[in-house]
Amino acid sequence: GESVGLHLPTLSVQEGDNSIINCAYSNSASDYFIWYKQESGKGPQFIIDIRSNMDKRQGQRVTVLLNKTVKHLSLQIAATQPGDSAVYFCAENYGGATNKLIFGTGTLLAVQP
Amino acid sequence: DGGITQSPKYLFRKEGQNVTLSCEQNLNHDAMYWYRQDPGQGLRLIYYSQIVNDFQKGDIAEGYSVSREKKESFPLTVTSAQKNPTAFYLCASNRDRLYGYTFGSGTRLTVV
Repeated sequence: GESVGLHLPTLSVQEGDNSIINCAYSNSASDYFIWYKQESGKGPQFIIDIRSNMDKRQGQRVTVLLNKTVKHLSLQIAATQPGDSAVYFCAENYGGATNKLIFGTGTLLAVQP
Repeated sequence: DGGITQSPKYLFRKEGQNVTLSCEQNLNHDAMYWYRQDPGQGLRLIYYSQIVNDFQKGDIAEGYSVSREKKESFPLTVTSAQKNPTAFYLCASNRDRLYGYTFGSGTRLTVV
């Protein structure tokens, strides 16, 4: 649903490990999904997106998986680095006429050296 | 390079004052958005505009106002009616619903 300002869950990983950040989306009619990375004090940056006609999409060190059956989206980061430490947001477009994205609450990824 | 420019980066407001945050884009995007972010929290939608001369309230529009007189510009005014305006404000735009937002670098507003 709509982001309502909840406190962020945290995922702590060791440098070099793979990270998996999960997101439950709200609308079965959503047909576009996107992940953003936000470093402290900065605006969110695009990481990767996926449309509903796909199950998986890969980028550089990142993979997004979409499971429409259970309305679940995940972001996998390979060989996590200290520079990956940030807040990660998923977002969905509900479909229809609006361009608006609906954001999840976000997950703080903390990479331990 | 195309992008979104927010200014100022830091802004201080006295109690009872109105302040205006600037957002300009040269991406030729139709839709623009304003979000508020409180420390350690997610993004909350204030207002959005899908086209010039039209805008809609988001989830937390009370105490804020916007205008969209030009495609490139979507300024946000934080009025004295907003009782807790201290926050990080983000502006974004996108070309259509199957493309993600491009975000600005944000304005940090503090009430003094």
